[in-house]
Formats: sequence, structure tokens, C-alpha cells
Amino acid sequence: AQSVTQPDIHITVSEGASLELRCNYSYGATPYLFWYVQSPGQGLQLLLKYFSGDTLVQGIKGFEAEFKRSQSSFNLRKPSVHWSDAAEYFCAVGARRDDKIIFGKGTRLHILP
Amino acid sequence: DVKVTQSSRYLVKRTGEKVFLECVQDMDHENMFWYRQDPGLGLRLIYFSYDVKMKEKGDIPEGYSVSREKKERFSLILESASTNQTSMYLCASSLLQEFSYEQYFGPGTRLTVT
Repeated sequence: AQSVTQPDIHITVSEGASLELRCNYSYGATPYLFWYVQSPGQGLQLLLKYFSGDTLVQGIKGFEAEFKRSQSSFNLRKPSVHWSDAAEYFCAVGARRDDKIIFGKGTRLHILP
Repeated sequence: DVKVTQSSRYLVKRTGEKVFLECVQDMDHENMFWYRQDPGLGLRLIYFSYDVKMKEKGDIPEGYSVSREKKERFSLILESASTNQTSMYLCASSLLQEFSYEQYFGPGTRLTVT
């Protein structure tokens, strides 16, 4: 069965520091992978997605993610975080013939001034 | 821009009441979804719909039903609200098209059942 694991429930980084949020998935075939962000009191917004091709994917707000098949991972990175990046981040996996998406439980990012 | 709207941002209902949560999308998407979001549990799929009058159960359908009479509107119904249905409810929509089925979310409805 498909599953998504985000090992870190909370992460705290200083403003200007680099960020990496971890995501591991379990799926039998090549998955479709997504990262979403949820600001407080808001719905989810798509940051980036991977379907095929280049394994390094660029997204909005300066985020990128790298698909590593051998590690079943799709980690999200940003070289320098801003206070406005404080939010909850969700990794998600989908299947080619299935319109459902499975979400991880989320990682809440806190930014220190 | 795709826009998904939900009828209420905050809702307070009493135990046993019938509750309707409405969701409307304006981009002619075929797929629509209802999730509930709880701390530590992430998003859990309640129901989804591929087309008008079609519905499929998600992972936690018990205590809920849905209605999709028009393509743009997907309603979640709590027949008899209970306190364990206090949660954030998120609606989403997506195209029925390969390589383009990322989901677009509404702002959510925070429901409190007392």
C-alpha cells in the first residue's frame, strides 16, 4: 500500500538558514510526488510536483525538491528561509491511474528571528 | 487562477444536528474531494467524486455522506453531528487528466460540535 512518512513533526530554523524537510514514501511503481504548504488558518497550496524527468524539481517561493528513487525520498529544500516560511508542510504521493493522493502527517516549520 | 471556496470558515453546531458543508470550484474540474485534518493525523480522505452524481468512499466515510448534483459543487453532510467530528474540513478539486492532477484546496471550514 502507498504510504508517506514525514519523520519530523516540528523543525525550528533561524531566519536566513538553510532548510531540508524529509519525506519518504512507499510505493510499488514510480510515484507522483508533491509538496504542499499550509499557512495558519489557510488551505493547502502546491509548492512543487514531480511526475517524471529531471529529479531536481523547482517550485514556488524558492523551494526545490529532489527525487531519489534508491532512497524512496523526496526531500524539500530551501537555501535561505524567511519568517514568512513558517507554516506546515505536507508531502504527498499519488499513483498514475488513481486520482487519490496520500498525504503525510506534516512537518511544522518554526522560524527563529 | 483556480478558486475553491467553502461556504463557511467557522461553524459551531450542536450534537445531533444535521450539518451541510458546501464547496464550489470555478475551474470545471472533474474531481472533487473532502478531507478532514486533525493535529498529528494529517489529512484523511472522507469522500471523493469523479463526476456529477458519482461518489467514492475514502478512508474515513463513517458518519458522513456527500452530494454532487452539479459539476462545480460538492457537499459534505453530517447526518447527525457528534463531538468527534469536531475538526478542520478541507475541500479540494483536480482535473481528470494525467500529469495534471494536483489538487487545489479551499481555505477550510473549522467545525466545532458541542
